[in-house]
Amino acid sequence: GEDVEQSLFLSVREGDSSVINCTYTDSSSTYLYWYKQEPGAGLQLLTYIFSNMDMKQDQRLTVLLNKKDKHLSLRIADTQTGDSAIYFCAEQGTASKLTFGTGTRLQVTL
Amino acid sequence: KAGVTQTPRYLIKTRGQQVTLSCSPISGHRSVSWYQQTPGQGLQFLFEYFSETQRNKGNFPGRFSGRQFSNSRSEMNVSTLELGDSALYLCASGWTGSETQYFGPGTRLLVL
Repeated sequence: GEDVEQSLFLSVREGDSSVINCTYTDSSSTYLYWYKQEPGAGLQLLTYIFSNMDMKQDQRLTVLLNKKDKHLSLRIADTQTGDSAIYFCAEQGTASKLTFGTGTRLQVTL
Repeated sequence: KAGVTQTPRYLIKTRGQQVTLSCSPISGHRSVSWYQQTPGQGLQFLFEYFSETQRNKGNFPGRFSGRQFSNSRSEMNVSTLELGDSALYLCASGWTGSETQYFGPGTRLLVL
């Protein structure tokens, strides 16, 4: 079955780059997503990558996909305090069902 | 363009009661999915509706049900509430369901 794993916590200093990692198991995944959740809020779609791509860049965000190792990462350049949140990796396998990781709490310190 | 809206935003119920949550998708989107988020289990898929038909279902008991209307709005119902049903219920919409999905703000349900 599908399974998605993420580390639970990451702390970075403001201005540094953050790298959040994710591993997944479903080799038939079509899309892989990164969502951001701030306290008390829903999920905000940050970016996504189609499974036949290996990199996607969108302003401060860079997504890398290693399909062979089933590894996905999200790099946030010039991390700001407003980036403090929980980041979820998700894979989309059959139809519309998303399987989420446990989320990585990003703490940005001054 | 308006995003996904969910009502109500907060609910308090007691054990044994039932509850109905509503989700209005982004205009033009025909797929609506529901997820439950709890601290212990994380984000779990409940079900997905497309063109008024349930197309996909997660591993939840029959107390959890849903439906979709002809205007793509969706409702989910939980009957005979249990304490463990306390959660944030999130709805997501997409054009057909097999592409990017956008989430609403959620309905936070507390069962006492």
